[in-house]
Amino acid sequence: DAGVTQSPTHLIKTRGQQVTLRCSPISGHKSVSWYQQVLGQGPQFIFQYYEKEERGRGNFPDRFSARQFPNYSSELNVNALLLGDSALYLCASSLGWREQPQHFGDGTRLSIL
Amino acid sequence: QQQVKQSPQSLIVQKGGISIINCAYENTAFDYFPWYQQFPGKGPALLIAIRPDVSEKKEGRFTISFNKSAKQFSLHIMDSQPGDSATYFCAASNGDSSYKLIFGSGTRLLVRP
Repeated sequence: DAGVTQSPTHLIKTRGQQVTLRCSPISGHKSVSWYQQVLGQGPQFIFQYYEKEERGRGNFPDRFSARQFPNYSSELNVNALLLGDSALYLCASSLGWREQPQHFGDGTRLSIL
Repeated sequence: QQQVKQSPQSLIVQKGGISIINCAYENTAFDYFPWYQQFPGKGPALLIAIRPDVSEKKEGRFTISFNKSAKQFSLHIMDSQPGDSATYFCAASNGDSSYKLIFGSGTRLLVRP
């Protein structure tokens, strides 16, 4: 069975631009969470979505938004990119809203020039 | 209160030795404690997890020891192998908001042949 898949693998943007990252959860998983991992640090929680509704939000500015589609896939959008947004963006899926474990994809490496 | 403190930052072990990584937390509402393994260019992969109703859990060469009164938990890797060289993250989540994993800062493990 396929794991969590994320696209694209790498992305280079310039300051002020907008970016959309995509995630497909493990088959049967209905919950998707997004995390930001800055180089040398642990992942930090951004959002969780379940049944197309936002169920949790971390301490990130409104420039970050996300949505979940009827097939449970998800998109993370970041507007007005800053140099500090350079990071590995990870998607994790789980069976349900409050269910563990969460299984991670290999992420999208976003570089801001 | 939401922090998980991980040590050491880096660890070098000889092949066949025991690797020990420690984590400490403050929030007594945490009720799920996973360990993730991350290789360069990859997402975190779940290794093993524990809940506070048990003091130890073993899966193959990996063991979690959990001390509820001290609010500490640790990962032991027995018979460490060069293929175990990776970054290890402890994490914790709160049952009331268990969608969110709080990660430690990571431990870079190098197992020498």
